Amino acid sequence: DAKTTQPPSMDCAEGRAANLPCNHSTISGNEYVYWYRQIHSQGPQYIIHGLKNNETNEMASLIITEDRKSSTLILPHATLRDTAVYYCIVRVYGGATNKLIFGTGTLLAVQP
Amino acid sequence: GAVVSQHPSWVICKSGTSVKIECRSLDFQATTMFWYRQFPKQSLMLMATSNEGSKATYEQGVEKDKFLINHASLTLSTLTVTSAHPEDSSFYICSAPFVQGASGTEAFFGQGTRLTVV
Repeated sequence: DAKTTQPPSMDCAEGRAANLPCNHSTISGNEYVYWYRQIHSQGPQYIIHGLKNNETNEMASLIITEDRKSSTLILPHATLRDTAVYYCIVRVYGGATNKLIFGTGTLLAVQP
Repeated sequence: GAVVSQHPSWVICKSGTSVKIECRSLDFQATTMFWYRQFPKQSLMLMATSNEGSKATYEQGVEKDKFLINHASLTLSTLTVTSAHPEDSSFYICSAPFVQGASGTEAFFGQGTRLTVV
């Protein structure tokens, strides 16, 4: 079973920041938080991951609470092409055999 | 980033026939690949782990004789849906882990295969 809970859907205005929350209250000390997104009828796309520190890359920022029980993915300037289902996943870092268990995700709808 | 390619992108087959789906890692080697199934408006469900040179590992509830997996080389895994029925109609997606150097291992996904059984 997935170890994360996310709201089923969210709306965001184009050009504004999209903040997607994720709860992972049972996360273990050696588990990282990963975010993927899936645009309709395509394979998932990796966005970002982190352990305890906040992370930023060209796509997004990841904010992890100090107790690591929740996190927020931030898309700083959402565009219509960011409309997708966003999945928050916890898993052990690295390892070629580690499989990803997907939860239900959050459908982000970016509105013009 | 690393590229994982699936073929075909979509396929329609008659009930009772078998369908083979290919998953290739185009610019890297993958000793392990994963196969997922996704029904409309649902999340991805892991079906099995494909292991190069050895038997696949199936998740609970997935029929191994129904979904045959072959990982004959370091860049190719195939999923064969045998004696397909309409309830097998789904979106099938593969993924392969790719070592990103110091960044660790990430999963890259194929574009998916839409199977429709009529």
